[in-house]
Amino acid sequence: QKEVEQNSGPLSVPEGAIASLNCTYSDRGSQSFFWYRQYSGKSPELIMFIYSNGDKEDGRFTAQLNKASQYVSLLIRDSQPSDSATYLCAVIPSGTYKYIFGTGTRLKVLA
Amino acid sequence: DVKVTQSSRYLVKRTGEKVFLECVQDMDHENMFWYRQDPGLGLRLIYFSYDVKMKEKGDIPEGYSVSREKKERFSLILESASTNQTSMYLCASRGTGGSYEQYFGPGTRLTVT
Repeated sequence: QKEVEQNSGPLSVPEGAIASLNCTYSDRGSQSFFWYRQYSGKSPELIMFIYSNGDKEDGRFTAQLNKASQYVSLLIRDSQPSDSATYLCAVIPSGTYKYIFGTGTRLKVLA
Repeated sequence: DVKVTQSSRYLVKRTGEKVFLECVQDMDHENMFWYRQDPGLGLRLIYFSYDVKMKEKGDIPEGYSVSREKKERFSLILESASTNQTSMYLCASRGTGGSYEQYFGPGTRLTVT
């Protein structure tokens, strides 16, 4: 069973702090990794994708991929109350076209 | 920007009705997907289409069928709606050629009574 695991939270951080969201995956051959943000009642919005080991930065967001340890992280710098949402991690395992989604981590940024 | 639209945001149907959910994308993407999302169960893939008239079953295809007659349009059909099909339905599209980013439509919240 190819799985993606996330802590369901809620993860609470004060406004202005760094929020760190983590995701582990079971299929060592996975090549593509994605982070989605989902506000309550809305559809998931793609915010980051990463295909290579290391860090990828886009504005306040940094995705970190460590294939040896099979985890991918999302850092949100200078967190804002508007970042409060559920963050979904998704992985494409080897030999498949399908995304495998984690169940998401709920983030609360406290003003 | 990729744009994926779905025919309805909210839909209420009766048990036994035939239900059509439509999805349109404007990015000339080959791949289109239908998911449902339920609390505690996450996103589950119902069907996938990788080309016009081509489809594959996902993880939970029972009770559903799909149609893709044109590249930009992918329809999900509930042949005889049941209360356990009450859910949020999400359409997504994705290109090929080394780009694997998948974009979602706004979703259809379907209630079957």
